Amino acid sequence: NFMLTQPHSVSESPGKTVTISCTRSSGSIASNYVQWYQQRPGSSPTTVIYEDNQRPSGVPDRFSGSIDSSSNSASLTISGLKTEDEADYYCQSYDSSKSLYVFGTGTKVTVL
Amino acid sequence: QVQLVQSGAEVKKPGSSVKVSCKASGGTFSSYAISWVRQAPGQGLEWMGGIIPIFGTANYAQKFQGRVTITADESTSTAYMELSSLRSEDTAVYYCAREGYYYDSSGSPFVYFDYWGQGTLVTVSS
Repeated sequence: NFMLTQPHSVSESPGKTVTISCTRSSGSIASNYVQWYQQRPGSSPTTVIYEDNQRPSGVPDRFSGSIDSSSNSASLTISGLKTEDEADYYCQSYDSSKSLYVFGTGTKVTVL
Repeated sequence: QVQLVQSGAEVKKPGSSVKVSCKASGGTFSSYAISWVRQAPGQGLEWMGGIIPIFGTANYAQKFQGRVTITADESTSTAYMELSSLRSEDTAVYYCAREGYYYDSSGSPFVYFDYWGQGTLVTVSS
């Protein structure tokens, strides 16, 4: 199986921008779509990005996703940070060769 | 609106089994796969396996092969996850999640977890 590695934590001030990376260990990041889930303390995960860069209805456009084949990674960018964005974020993709889902290691976002 | 409602918290002894349920409402249960994802205390999300109710066939992560059984009852729109030979490391919150099936701009299908249950805490302790 491939792994998806994320930074353990990032922190920034309200109104600023943070970018979280998600690096795929083997195989192309572009071979399967990447999703991003937000998990606030004590709550179930919710989707903030699907299909690499699409936002579900209700997710503000402060959230954006992208992939970069040169670094074999996906990124989640949160601009105009708000205190409500403080949460854990997980990337997720699919391993077609083994028919299983892979989650990233998770990143804790702290809004100072 | 799709809702997934899970059964309540469980406390189990090492070596025993636990069965967690996930009842779906507001959607077409049989056509969408249901996955089970667990999260140990302070840890990340881990996919365990999933089932497509209309086919009744389950797919498991290798780590849980032989210990986990995922089933679905179409008549009650309920999915189940049973984990056996429990050990302390199985203490976790267990989530069910619907695998939403969509099509991208080129018409190719893709899946992501679009609805989640509220989670069920399973504590394994002697």
